[in-house]
Amino acid sequence: QQQVKQSPQSLIVQKGGISIINCAYENTAFDYFPWYQQFPGKGPALLIAIRPDVSEKKEGRFTISFNKSAKQFSLHIMDSQPGDSATYFCAASNNYQLIWGAGTKLIIKP
Amino acid sequence: NAGVTQTPKFQVLKTGQSMTLQCAQDMNHNSMYWYRQDPGMGLRLIYYSASEGTTDKGEVPNGYNVSRLNKREFSLRLESAAPSQTSVYFCASRYGGQETQYFGPGTRLLVL
Repeated sequence: QQQVKQSPQSLIVQKGGISIINCAYENTAFDYFPWYQQFPGKGPALLIAIRPDVSEKKEGRFTISFNKSAKQFSLHIMDSQPGDSATYFCAASNNYQLIWGAGTKLIIKP
Repeated sequence: NAGVTQTPKFQVLKTGQSMTLQCAQDMNHNSMYWYRQDPGMGLRLIYYSASEGTTDKGEVPNGYNVSRLNKREFSLRLESAAPSQTSVYFCASRYGGQETQYFGPGTRLLVL
C-alpha cells in the first residue's frame, strides 16, 4: 500500500514532442505528489508538485495531471528539449515522508 | 550558500571494512535524510532525523547507523560493509513545515 508505481522505465522522445510519465499509488493518505528531476552525477531536484485538491498544475512546459479517483498522476513535458534528458522520479508523501517511484530515464533526440 | 554537501564523492571498500559518510547543510533546515539509490528501485530511505537530537529508521536501516551531530551535520556509518551496500547514497534536508527536500550530490560506494 506504500508503493508508488512509475512507468515507463525509459522513454525516447523526439525534440519538440510531448513526454508523458505516469505514476500510480494505493495509499489514500498521501497528500503531496512531487516530481523530481535528476541529471547524471547529481542529486534529484524538485521540478513540480501538486496536492490532491487540484486536478492539474502547470509550470512552463511542465504539467502535472492528477486523477484522485483513479489514484494516478502524470508528468507531461511539452515541446521536449535535449536539455530535458534526465531521470524523472515521481513520489508521494504522507507526513513529510516521501515514497518514491522507480524512475524514468528520458532521452530527447535532437 | 553551498546547500547540501557530501563527502566523500566516491569510495571503494572491502567487505567487512567500516566507513562514515558525511553530510552537512547550511540552509538551517530541521530535517535531514539518508537515502540509497539503486538502479530500477528509486530512492529508499535509510534513516532520517526530524530535528537535532532525534533519529528514526526508514525503509532499509539494517547495516547502517546514523548520528545527528548538530543541526547542520548528519552522518551515516557502515560498521561492516557488505557487497549489497554497493549503491549511491544521497543526503537530503528539509525546512520544517515545507515539503521540498534538497539533495546533496551523492556518494558512490563500491563494496568489493
